[in-house]
Amino acid sequence: ETGVTQSPTHLIKTRGQQVTLRCSSQSGHNTVSWYQQALGQGPQFIFQYYREEENGRGNFPPRFSGLQFPNYSSELNVNALELDDSALYLCASSEQGQPQHFGDGTRLSIL
Amino acid sequence: RKEVEQDPGPFNVPEGATVAFNCTYSNSASQSFFWYRQDCRKEPKLLMSVYSSGNEDGRFTAQLNRASQYISLLIRDSKLSDSATYLCVGMKAAGNKLTFGGGTRVLVKP
Repeated sequence: ETGVTQSPTHLIKTRGQQVTLRCSSQSGHNTVSWYQQALGQGPQFIFQYYREEENGRGNFPPRFSGLQFPNYSSELNVNALELDDSALYLCASSEQGQPQHFGDGTRLSIL
Repeated sequence: RKEVEQDPGPFNVPEGATVAFNCTYSNSASQSFFWYRQDCRKEPKLLMSVYSSGNEDGRFTAQLNRASQYISLLIRDSKLSDSATYLCVGMKAAGNKLTFGGGTRVLVKP
C-alpha cells in the first residue's frame, strides 16, 4: 500500500512569488486535507477536498487555493507569498470521516 | 481561547516510568478525538483514537471525558523511543477538519 507522498520536500521562495505544492493520496483514499504548521505550533487546517470539491476551509486568505484531481491527488497553490507563509505544509488523506494519514510535508521558506 | 489546549511541556520522564498528560477542548462540536505523535521535523502519525470508554494499545492508554471536556494519554514503562511531541486532535462529525492542540513534548531519559 502506497502512503501519502508530497513534493517537493523543501522549497525556497521570495516574497510575492507563487508556489504549487503537490500531494498524492494513499491508495483508496478519496479525501485530501492540507495543513500549515509553523515552528513550535500544531498544524492548522487550510482546506479539504473530497471528490474534487472543496469540503471545508480554515481561516486562510483566498490567496491559498487548491484543487483535487480525478485520481484524488491534490495541489495547494499560494499566491503573493509573505514571510509568515514560511512553514511545514502537510497533506493528509483519508476516507471521508476516517482518521487522516499525513505525508512527510513540504518545508517552505520565504526569503 | 484555542479550541484544543495542551501543556507544551517538556515532560522529562525517566526511562521505565509512567507519564500522563491531558488536553482540554472548548468546542463541543468535536465528536471524535485522536492522539498523534510527531517526531522532530517529521509528519504527525496517528497514535490512537480516544473513546469515552477508554482505549488501550500496549503501553498507551487514552481516555475521553466529555463532561469535563478533556482527553488524557498515559504512557507506561516509558522507552527512549517514546520521546516525541504528542498532539491532541479533535474532529467534527463532518470529518472535514482536524483541530490540533499545540502539542506536549515528552523527553524520556536514561
